[in-house]
Amino acid sequence: SQTIHQWPATLVQPVGSPLSLECTVEGTSNPNLYWYRQAAGRGLQLLFYSVGIGQISSEVPQNLSASRPQDRQFILSSKKLLLSDSGFYLCACFPFGEQFFGPGTRLTVL
Amino acid sequence: GEDVEQSLFLSVREGDSSVINCTYTDSSSTYLYWYKQEPGAGLQLLTYIFSNMDMKQDQRLTVLLNKKDKHLSLRIADTQTGDSAIYFCAEIRRTGRRALTFGSGTRLQVQP
Repeated sequence: SQTIHQWPATLVQPVGSPLSLECTVEGTSNPNLYWYRQAAGRGLQLLFYSVGIGQISSEVPQNLSASRPQDRQFILSSKKLLLSDSGFYLCACFPFGEQFFGPGTRLTVL
Repeated sequence: GEDVEQSLFLSVREGDSSVINCTYTDSSSTYLYWYKQEPGAGLQLLTYIFSNMDMKQDQRLTVLLNKKDKHLSLRIADTQTGDSAIYFCAEIRRTGRRALTFGSGTRLQVQP
């Protein structure tokens, strides 16, 4: 079965600083990978998805970017964080029929 | 409006049954999911149902799907305090990017 790793688990960053969140997947190959964000008290919003290495689709205009340098690695980045980037970031993998989520990274921008 | 809608809050007594409801708008939905999120934690997949099914039962969980009304429900029998969490309904559509579209979540509070 698939296992999704995310790090760091929590992060506190000042406004204007860069960001790099990493997600790696085990137990499957060539999965669809996704980044979701959950703002406080709200549901999940899809940010990016990738169907393969180097292939990134963005769902909403924003201050963030994503990259997929390897089949099972998905990275979420920002050059300059905004206060509104605070939230709970979840990486997900979709082999077939089910979508598995990583443990999440809680980002607080101060 | 939202593609997937849920009521925000449900309170039940321990031992009672809980029913969490969800409506969706896209008839091309293929899979419909229920996730559980405990405070400060990620999402745990509870169960999912394929759109050609009407019902799925898994231990204390029963999922009912009414395709005509685009209505999905999750019934938790003998609700326990450990069931207190936020429950998300989500769908995947037959076409497009095959990403989950989530409801805003229902907070279930179980009173002892």
